[in-house]
Amino acid sequence: DVKVTQSSRYLVKRTGEKVFLECVQDMDHENMFWYRQDPGLGLRLIYFSYDVKMKEKGDIPEGYSVSREKKERFSLILESASTNQTSMYLCASTGLNQPQHFGDGTRLSIL
Amino acid sequence: GENVEQHPSTLSVQEGDSAVIKCTYSDSASNYFPWYKQELGKRPQLIIDIRSNVGEKKDQRIAVTLNKTAKHFSLHITETQPEDSAVYFCAASITMGGNKLVFGAGTILRVKS
Repeated sequence: DVKVTQSSRYLVKRTGEKVFLECVQDMDHENMFWYRQDPGLGLRLIYFSYDVKMKEKGDIPEGYSVSREKKERFSLILESASTNQTSMYLCASTGLNQPQHFGDGTRLSIL
Repeated sequence: GENVEQHPSTLSVQEGDSAVIKCTYSDSASNYFPWYKQELGKRPQLIIDIRSNVGEKKDQRIAVTLNKTAKHFSLHITETQPEDSAVYFCAASITMGGNKLVFGAGTILRVKS
């Protein structure tokens, strides 16, 4: 069974802080994704990665960056957190011809 | 780019009735359409998906239909039960797997017992 693990379920940070959200998958998947989920807006793609050290912008990359140094780990970075980045963040992974599998999410509050 | 619209945003049904959620997409190149169910406080989970070479797919009480000409696909849940209460998301993609999914805004389904 695919397991996608996000490091924190809940996180509270202050405006201006640098925030790291971590995601690890155990299925040797090539592709990993970061989404944010907001009520009435569904899931919106921030960044995705199709290989180690490779990344592509999604639909809402502004204010975020990512890092993929190892195949199993995909990190989302908020360079200088702002209150409008308060949201639920979901990580997903997939392999060739497989559906996306999601982690449990990190509910991030920026005060 | 792809745009997916989902309706209705909320849906209340009596236990035992059917529920239908509809989505439209804009990119005619899309050929993979999954549906995810997200229960309160839990991760989205894939419940059914369909590829463009198929018009309909069923899995017990759940079915998905696809009309490529109209760029429209729907989720049908029959004999609804309280445990079907959740948020349902449709999505579209050019391929399964590597390509990014574009999601609809979600439908909150409430099944009243």
